[in-house]
Amino acid sequence: KAGVTQTPRYLIKTRGQQVTLSCSPISGHRSVSWYQQTPGQGLQFLFEYFSETQRNKGNFPGRFSGRQFSNSRSEMNVSTLELGDSALYLCASASRARTANTEAFFGQGTRLTVV
Amino acid sequence: AQSVTQPDIHITVSEGASLELRCNYSYGATPYLFWYVQSPGQGLQLLLKYFSGDTLVQGIKGFEAEFKRSQSSFNLRKPSVHWSDAAEYFCAVGAVEGNKLVFGAGTILRVKS
Repeated sequence: KAGVTQTPRYLIKTRGQQVTLSCSPISGHRSVSWYQQTPGQGLQFLFEYFSETQRNKGNFPGRFSGRQFSNSRSEMNVSTLELGDSALYLCASASRARTANTEAFFGQGTRLTVV
Repeated sequence: AQSVTQPDIHITVSEGASLELRCNYSYGATPYLFWYVQSPGQGLQLLLKYFSGDTLVQGIKGFEAEFKRSQSSFNLRKPSVHWSDAAEYFCAVGAVEGNKLVFGAGTILRVKS
């Protein structure tokens, strides 16, 4: 079956703009998590959605938001972009409610560059 | 709070040599542990996972990892490294909340011929 699909793969935006990234999880998966990866901070958890509800949120400012649709597809939005938001944004999908008995599958990521 | 430490930022091994990547975790209960691999500019691929049971876990691409509760470690091993194994490796622990993963800083593996 198809893997996790993230679009677009690459994005260049200007400071102050906003951006929306999309993630389509594996068919049947109801959990979608988002991570930010930078050379300085590594992989950091942004938030997780399960059945359209945000369950967990990492330590990021309110400029970072997300949502999940009834078909489990998820979007994340970053408003008022800053240079420091340049990163690889990874989406992961999982089939069950908890890490305890499942594993996360990652997409290829969206490379966001803020200039 | 959960945390993961990967003490080695870079490791270089010769092709055909054995490999061990270290991972130490901090977690209050039985941890759910993972090793992922990432090629440049790509997403993360799961190598193996430990949920419970046998402490020696086999994964894909000939990798294995051993869970040692007394040492809070989950080291990744491979008996003979191939040039295609060059990549960045991440150890992660599953947090209490949902499907959140807490990652280590990663270890970059270089393979010399």
